[in-house]
Amino acid sequence: DGGITQSPKYLFRKEGQNVTLSCEQNLNHDAMYWYRQDPGQGLRLIYYSQIVNDFQKGDIAEGYSVSREKKESFPLTVTSAQKNPTAFYLCASTPIPGRMKNTGELFFGEGSRLTVL
Amino acid sequence: AQKVTQAQTEISVVEKEDVTLDCVYETRDTTYYLFWYKQPPSGELVFLIRRNSFDEQNEISGRYSWNFQKSTSSFNFTITASQVVDSAVYFCALSESDRGSTLGRLYFGRGTQLTVWP
Repeated sequence: DGGITQSPKYLFRKEGQNVTLSCEQNLNHDAMYWYRQDPGQGLRLIYYSQIVNDFQKGDIAEGYSVSREKKESFPLTVTSAQKNPTAFYLCASTPIPGRMKNTGELFFGEGSRLTVL
Repeated sequence: AQKVTQAQTEISVVEKEDVTLDCVYETRDTTYYLFWYKQPPSGELVFLIRRNSFDEQNEISGRYSWNFQKSTSSFNFTITASQVVDSAVYFCALSESDRGSTLGRLYFGRGTQLTVWP
């Protein structure tokens, strides 16, 4: 079945360590996004990528890095520079208008919950 | 400033009651899109509806209905005859452009936790 797979589902990290969250999609979507969700908060955009080898900062990019070497993959690295990394991270994708039927809908993975000990 | 405001943090109802979730948005664009997503306990966001700024017709889908009013910048969501399975966090979101460079960049409200008791 087509969809977005995020791994790991749960991750614990010690302070000062970098950690990479995986996001893979087999929907043939061009655009991919990373959002962060904190309790009682909406989703805030970290990074997004419209095309391979290109990505843009969102509203809260500090302390995070991404890569887009393949269309299917958009991993997010939470670096030690991120001061408060404990959160729920959601990856999403969407087709680009004109390339595929696009309703503007974002397709989401099931999320990765990161806890810093 | 918050582009999307969901003033109700938590709502509790008893099964079969009707419930309305409020959403107020702010944008200067004339072309924009509004969305509702449902987040069950599993965590994945499920798309419910998309509405563009030029279509103010209300929409009904089964027990769900949406009321879009540009005059008050609101896009409210009503669940009729609520069920326990409706318990989830509901997010309202705004996309300000349908240009390829920014489509998919959604601004989310803080969400409303709906609990439906049996």
